[in-house]
Amino acid sequence: EAQVTQNPRYLITVTGKKLTVTCSQNMNHEYMSWYRQDPGLGLRQIYYSMNVEVTDKGDVPEGYKVSRKEKRNFPLILESPSPNQTSLYFCASSSFSGSSYNEQFFGPGTRLTVL
Amino acid sequence: AQSVTQPDIHITVSEGASLELRCNYSYGATPYLFWYVQSPGQGLQLLLKYFSGDTLVQGIKGFEAEFKRSQSSFNLRKPSVHWSDAAEYFCAASGGSYIPTFGRGTSLIVHP
Repeated sequence: EAQVTQNPRYLITVTGKKLTVTCSQNMNHEYMSWYRQDPGLGLRQIYYSMNVEVTDKGDVPEGYKVSRKEKRNFPLILESPSPNQTSLYFCASSSFSGSSYNEQFFGPGTRLTVL
Repeated sequence: AQSVTQPDIHITVSEGASLELRCNYSYGATPYLFWYVQSPGQGLQLLLKYFSGDTLVQGIKGFEAEFKRSQSSFNLRKPSVHWSDAAEYFCAASGGSYIPTFGRGTSLIVHP
């Protein structure tokens, strides 16, 4: 089954404790992206990757890191989480048709609470 | 810069009434266009997409959308709304080498 998986689905942590949210897709997609969703603010892009070893900042990259060492994986790293990073996080992936990016497939989301 | 605008933050309709959610885009050329739905507590699911050809596209759950090049719009419609349609709806676009762009979303409230 084609899917994007995220782990963990729920996480409660404390300020300053490094954490990683994993994202994996099994569709051989070139494009992967991380979003955060907060009430009233819609989806805001954190980082994206157009292919292996190619990553770039989105709209709200501060406090986050990513890496793309393999095509299927795109982990999101919070080196020193703060309470303002409490949010719902989504990973997504998409293929490139040669002229544009196709629809994105989304993971189920990770609900992060930083105390 | 490429952008997608959903001018309505909230829309309230009665069950059984018709629905139209607005979406406008700003791109250098005709982009690929998408509508996604996010039910409460769920991830995003693709409702429909437009790449080219017929400007009226049909999607899942009885939704349709019409691409109007002259108005740079891709509005989502449904003739009769059900209570289960209450959700957040996102319009998105991608074009050329530009990464996909999302609108801010429209929250649909359905009254019985």
